[in-house]
Amino acid sequence: GAVVSQHPSRVICKSGTSVKIECRSLDFQATTMFWYRQFPKKSLMLMATSNEGSKATYEQGVEKDKFLINHASLTLSTLTVTSAHPEDSSFYICSASYGSSSNQPQHFGDGTRLSIL
Amino acid sequence: DAKTTQPPSMDCAEGRAANLPCNHSTISGNEYVYWYRQIHSQGPQYIIHGLKNNETNEMASLIITEDRKSSTLILPHATLRDTAVYYCIVRGLRGNQFYFGTGTSLTVIP
Repeated sequence: GAVVSQHPSRVICKSGTSVKIECRSLDFQATTMFWYRQFPKKSLMLMATSNEGSKATYEQGVEKDKFLINHASLTLSTLTVTSAHPEDSSFYICSASYGSSSNQPQHFGDGTRLSIL
Repeated sequence: DAKTTQPPSMDCAEGRAANLPCNHSTISGNEYVYWYRQIHSQGPQYIIHGLKNNETNEMASLIITEDRKSSTLILPHATLRDTAVYYCIVRGLRGNQFYFGTGTSLTVIP
């Protein structure tokens, strides 16, 4: 159980394009979803916390107008990288958590590798 | 949020127990310790978590010291497929966020 699906797994696009990444919890309702970014050989960096039906909370230094997050349902959150540039190339990973208790694990998707040319 | 400190890398012989340490000396009373691992180019995989008591599941055991300032993840019989980066995380109380440290790169050697 507790499967999180992320789509697409890989995307290559031209500079200036906006890219949407979907994160779905397949077998549970996720009240909270999280978005991370990971550069090569580095650890995961939390970008934002997304609660269903409310605005996302962004970590310090993450531009909310650049990385648009929508969490319209209990099973779907989307991250849109607007006007992407080569420096936005990275591995983007989402996770979902059932409930708000700190005793609930986060379940991670398999990530989206974004390459901007 | 409490920070964690882990050795950057470790080796373990196949079939032996892998013991991965983690220091979290600033942990507060209600913060859980979580362990995840990440195999190259995949999302992190949940392993185990605990608060005060030692925990065991089909993947691993988690030993938490009585003062909760450190913990050890034990993989009882390491296999080659256990080669991964292992992250010890203290879960924040305010928003349940995970702040990943640098982790331990475990290499299981045949």
